[in-house]
Amino acid sequence: GAVVSQHPSRVICKSGTSVKIECRSLDFQATTMFWYRQFPKQSLMLMATSNEGSKATYEQGVEKDKFLINHASLTLSTLTVTSAHPEDSSFYICSARKSAPRQSGGHPAGQFFGPGTRLTVL
Amino acid sequence: QKEVEQDPGPLSVPEGAIVSLNCTYSNSAFQYFMWYRQYSRKGPELLMYTYSSGNKEDGRFTAQVDKSSKYISLFIRDSQPSDSATYLCAMNGKAAGNKLTFGGGTRVLVKP
Repeated sequence: GAVVSQHPSRVICKSGTSVKIECRSLDFQATTMFWYRQFPKQSLMLMATSNEGSKATYEQGVEKDKFLINHASLTLSTLTVTSAHPEDSSFYICSARKSAPRQSGGHPAGQFFGPGTRLTVL
Repeated sequence: QKEVEQDPGPLSVPEGAIVSLNCTYSNSAFQYFMWYRQYSRKGPELLMYTYSSGNKEDGRFTAQVDKSSKYISLFIRDSQPSDSATYLCAMNGKAAGNKLTFGGGTRVLVKP
């Protein structure tokens, strides 16, 4: 199988604090991980693409200094929401793509989603 | 205009009925067409994918792609209450940067 985990599954924090969310590929190596956010009753919006050992690529309109991404190993990427505010409250979902280009590339079956992290900023 | 359009629903059907879902898109560079199921407060789960135009069947699920019309469909036969979820279409392709572009999702409710 291909399992992606996220931790924590739910977090509540005060405005102004920073929150770190972890995304792990448990049984495969992931050169690339993606971070999405999803507002209630809306679709997933890609925030950034994270490549192991290099800087993340952010989508237009996503503040890289606010959403810090670190992809330190082939099985772990972290998203840190800095100085969180109530408008950052959302469902954050990561996905991981298997490392072997022949197995993934644009192939959808090569990308696996985590269970999501619900962030509530008071 | 969004790149991928999907009716948000909700779509309510009785148990055993056929559920019909569809998406339209505008980017002709898309090559892979996927359907994900997402239960409340969970991550998306890949149901089916199709490469280019054509049909694909997997158990109770049938996916269709018509690239000439930029229209894709998912049919669920013999629907069950456990099929109640939000269904998201998604697409990608090399020329589109290999990033998944999602539709807004259709909420489906199968009533026993």
